[in-house]
Amino acid sequence: DTGVSQNPRHKITKRGQNVTFRCDPISEHNRLYWYRQTLGQGPEFLTYFQNEAQLEKSRLLSDRFSAERPKGSFSTLEIQRTEQGDSAMYLCASNSVAPPGEQFFGPGTRLTVL
Amino acid sequence: AQTVTQSQPEMSVQEAETVTLSCTYDTSESNYYLFWYKQPPSRQMILVIRQEAYKQQNATENRFSVNFQKAAKSFSLKISDSQLGDTAMYFCAFMKESGGSYIPTFGRGTSLIVHP
Repeated sequence: DTGVSQNPRHKITKRGQNVTFRCDPISEHNRLYWYRQTLGQGPEFLTYFQNEAQLEKSRLLSDRFSAERPKGSFSTLEIQRTEQGDSAMYLCASNSVAPPGEQFFGPGTRLTVL
Repeated sequence: AQTVTQSQPEMSVQEAETVTLSCTYDTSESNYYLFWYKQPPSRQMILVIRQEAYKQQNATENRFSVNFQKAAKSFSLKISDSQLGDTAMYFCAFMKESGGSYIPTFGRGTSLIVHP
């Protein structure tokens, strides 16, 4: 296993467009997290899956954001009608059910909204 | 809501010396978990060290150790014999269980530069 992967690594889009990011966790990990990180800040929790169930969503998460993990494996994060304030690094992390262990992070997707 | 405070935005240290990064947190819980993560420039975040709140003994991982003061809600990271590869952002994180979910809260990070 090569670890958590994320695609694309970079995305530049125009304001108002929709974007979708993908995260492939470590195969045996049940839990998958999405975070947003802006310059000078730590990762900010967005949402969390255990298998295919989305168990938690941040109250900060706008209705324009949606995430799925259809078969309990990879996950997608979609942002509709992007705004300049959405520009950030979007991180994915996974870990196993045995709590609360180390989170394995992906390299992130850097989104720039023009 | 939990908060995690890292009061040192930047730190620097000479190679082979020791440096301590501070972290304080605010919670009313008695059982929780604390972590230090390292994010090297343009690289993935990785776990440095973990501490369970119910354990009195401070965690140690090779050159990395913590000073966990539960009453003071303090969780500092000591890096001994600093190496150039320790240059990175360091994030303190707090995690507690809530309804079967474990949602971490991260601090804003400390940028550590190790000078040769």
